[in-house]
Amino acid sequence: SQQGEEDPQALSIQEGENATMNCSYKTSINNLQWYRQNSGRGLVHLILIRSNEREKHSGRLRVTLDTSKKSSSLLITASRAADTASYFCATGANNLFFGTGTRLTVIP
Amino acid sequence: KAGVTQTPRYLIKTRGQQVTLSCSPISGHRSVSWYQQTPGQGLQFLFEYFSETQRNKGNFPGRFSGRQFSNSRSEMNVSTLELGDSALYLCASSLDRWGGNGYTFGSGTRLTVV
Repeated sequence: SQQGEEDPQALSIQEGENATMNCSYKTSINNLQWYRQNSGRGLVHLILIRSNEREKHSGRLRVTLDTSKKSSSLLITASRAADTASYFCATGANNLFFGTGTRLTVIP
Repeated sequence: KAGVTQTPRYLIKTRGQQVTLSCSPISGHRSVSWYQQTPGQGLQFLFEYFSETQRNKGNFPGRFSGRQFSNSRSEMNVSTLELGDSALYLCASSLDRWGGNGYTFGSGTRLTVV
């Protein structure tokens, strides 16, 4: 069974707009990770936020974590067509539990 | 440096057959995990190997097995294939068991059971 749920399941935006995806999880965590998956390919690690962090940035990515609400959000600023992919949050230590994913489509 | 290499990329098997998938982790990475991805169940953890020992196993039947060699390369085997085993099988490696810097995934093996 999956640990988390992403919301929304699908998101379609224009190039240049910002995209926000949310993730909720069920149990206490040490860290939360976000991954991107292009159609039918492997996952690419984007960013990891530890349980004692509230916000983290990496390039155009901004991740927040609220452990009291067991939720995280991923913001992609100034989106590009190349950002079109599925995005997953994942928790766990030596085995990852993935959420259901958000399918992001960026329209040129 | 080279990424995680999974072979083969695509595979078609018939029901009842068995299959072996291979994963070569990033050099120096000692932990290898396997995941199954299907449209219905999403990404599910199969098992984790570290130092040639299975450390963790997901909720899959005994038909699914694996092993890790001394060079950290890993194989997973599925016996008596069923139609429902059709999936993308992903391998991930990390330096240690805790993935504190994230996991690196291979491109996957797409298995189709007919």
